[in-house]
Amino acid sequence: GAVVSQHPSRVICKSGTSVKIECRSLDFQATTMFWYRQFPKQSLMLMATSNEGSKATYEQGVEKDKFLINHASLTLSTLTVTSAHPEDSSFYICSARAPGRGPNTEAFFGQGTRLTVV
Amino acid sequence: KQEVTQIPAALSVPEGENLVLNCSFTDSAIYNLQWFRQDPGKGLTSLLLIQSSQREQTSGRLNASLDKSSGRSTLYIAASQPGDSATYLCAVSSGGYQKVTFGTGTKLQVIP
Repeated sequence: GAVVSQHPSRVICKSGTSVKIECRSLDFQATTMFWYRQFPKQSLMLMATSNEGSKATYEQGVEKDKFLINHASLTLSTLTVTSAHPEDSSFYICSARAPGRGPNTEAFFGQGTRLTVV
Repeated sequence: KQEVTQIPAALSVPEGENLVLNCSFTDSAIYNLQWFRQDPGKGLTSLLLIQSSQREQTSGRLNASLDKSSGRSTLYIAASQPGDSATYLCAVSSGGYQKVTFGTGTKLQVIP
């Protein structure tokens, strides 16, 4: 199957700083990538849909100015958590779907990033 | 808005038992459904993918079924092993951009 690489896998940052998480599709081009967040003992919640070359579409309740998404190329999307606070501590995971393979294609997921804000 | 629910939320069984995990979704206009396992503090491992036109998929001791019209899927695990202990998530692809909506998860514990 296709490979999606996410970096870093773990990050600890101080409150007030910004953190960038990268999501790369290694062996395919992804016009659309998704970003999810998972709080402890909860399921994954979609934060935003990232489209190459255009603005991301955010889900209701997700602050677009706090969670900046950039999808500048067909193989890379980044999520920047700006002015991070302890309540932003969570597990963030990205997903990508390869285009041109019909509508019923499998979604491939990165390994996830554990963010801890202290 | 697609909503995905999994029952039970937690399950504890002795080793060797066969078990069924349930997943239901509100919007039957799906592209596909995937089952994942997630170990504590880890990412997702894809187990099975069922296309909307399919009724079931099998991989080893795992069998997943899909009844799209009734908005249900089941994951059957045969001869459970302690290594099967994990949280199992079902995820439905639907709507614009084929967004994936995750279920609430079933935490499985297989007791040796």
